Amino acid sequence: SQQGEEDPQALSIQEGENATMNCSYKTSINNLQWYRQNSGRGLVHLILIRSNEREKHSGRLRVTLDTSKKSSSLLITASRAADTASYFCATSRGDTDKLIFGTGTRLQVFP
Amino acid sequence: GAGVSQSPSNKVTEKGKDVELRCDPISGHTALYWYRQSLGQGLEFLIYFQGNSAPDKSGLPSDRFSAERTGGSVSTLTIQRTQQEDSAVYLCASSRGGQETQYFGPGTRLLVL
Repeated sequence: SQQGEEDPQALSIQEGENATMNCSYKTSINNLQWYRQNSGRGLVHLILIRSNEREKHSGRLRVTLDTSKKSSSLLITASRAADTASYFCATSRGDTDKLIFGTGTRLQVFP
Repeated sequence: GAGVSQSPSNKVTEKGKDVELRCDPISGHTALYWYRQSLGQGLEFLIYFQGNSAPDKSGLPSDRFSAERTGGSVSTLTIQRTQQEDSAVYLCASSRGGQETQYFGPGTRLLVL
């Protein structure tokens, strides 16, 4: 019952490189959130972008949203080994707050 | 302040037994959510509570699953007659509601033998 897909499924890069992850979804949304997960446990919130926004920044993170293409991207600049984790996008839609998650991208950053 | 807390961190049970999982949301958050994450199904919504409104139970996979939220704060997710396919990490989140950010707890890893 997942809303969308993320690609790539896995990404391996060297420290200092940029990492880009993409998320596509199927229906109109209220907002889209990006989360990070380490070791299969709790999710850490990164950024929330609303449907009327196109781009947001937070430190080394940049998120874009294209509602016409029903897609979003997460860019991590100057990656660090500590950025190694799984990254998920999640959308909410309609009059409900429940989140529908994407399939996730596993990022590996090598020192 | 404190984040969302969940207990126990890990739970091993035998097939057919009942289990209770607890979630303490962030103080002042009116909305509370349960999700689960399993290898085969990814991250999926189970149920959410918003203030005094009737909970949205649309994600509960069967009538063996139920949840309560007492006093608008602590929530308990109960799984009756557990099955092996119930094995997963159960995640709780809370928010101020109204499409705001959901903050997640560390999860409870449930293993049904």
